Amino acid sequence: QKEVEQNSGPLSVPEGAIASLNCTYSDRGSQSFFWYRQYSGKSPELIMSIYSNGDKEDGRFTAQLNKASQYVSLLIRDSQPSDSATYLCAVIWAYSGAGSYQLTFGKGTKLSVIP
Amino acid sequence: GAVVSQHPSWVICKSGTSVKIECRSLDFQATTMFWYRQFPKQSLMLMATSNEGSKATYEQGVEKDKFLINHASLTLSTLTVTSAHPEDSSFYICSATDSYEQYFGPGTRLTVT
Repeated sequence: QKEVEQNSGPLSVPEGAIASLNCTYSDRGSQSFFWYRQYSGKSPELIMSIYSNGDKEDGRFTAQLNKASQYVSLLIRDSQPSDSATYLCAVIWAYSGAGSYQLTFGKGTKLSVIP
Repeated sequence: GAVVSQHPSWVICKSGTSVKIECRSLDFQATTMFWYRQFPKQSLMLMATSNEGSKATYEQGVEKDKFLINHASLTLSTLTVTSAHPEDSSFYICSATDSYEQYFGPGTRLTVT
């Protein structure tokens, strides 16, 4: 069974620190990886996508992918209280036809940034 | 870019009635739209995958006769919850994609009394 695993948390970090969120996946053939942020009561918001091994940076966010270890992470630098949310790791490994792909989500890690 | 809207944002209905939820991609043509359901403190659960002009593909355990999906155009998909019951009360979220990245609508909170 194809799975995406995340530590459920909560992960608490002080304001200004680096938050590190981790995700492992079971299918070595997976090619596309995403991080979504979900505030309580709201829908998920795409914040990073990564397709190749290595690091990808966007502002305060850095996604890291290691396909050999089947591991993807998200680093949030200079964490702010507004970053407090649940972070969902998502992986594409199913082709659902017509050029589209299904996402499989982890259960999410709840991040709390303490002022 | 990549904006997806949903309407209504919340709805209360009586048990036994039907509710229609609309999902629109506002600034791109979505080859595929997905419908999810999320119960409190739980993860997203994919209900169905919808391609324009063809029948939706439902996930195991999702009743296709209860959750009717119509994907009439590349920018509009609708989910109709038929004969709603209190256990159908949930947060329904659509997403749309034209490639690998999925963009989510703001969600519809359904309460069945």
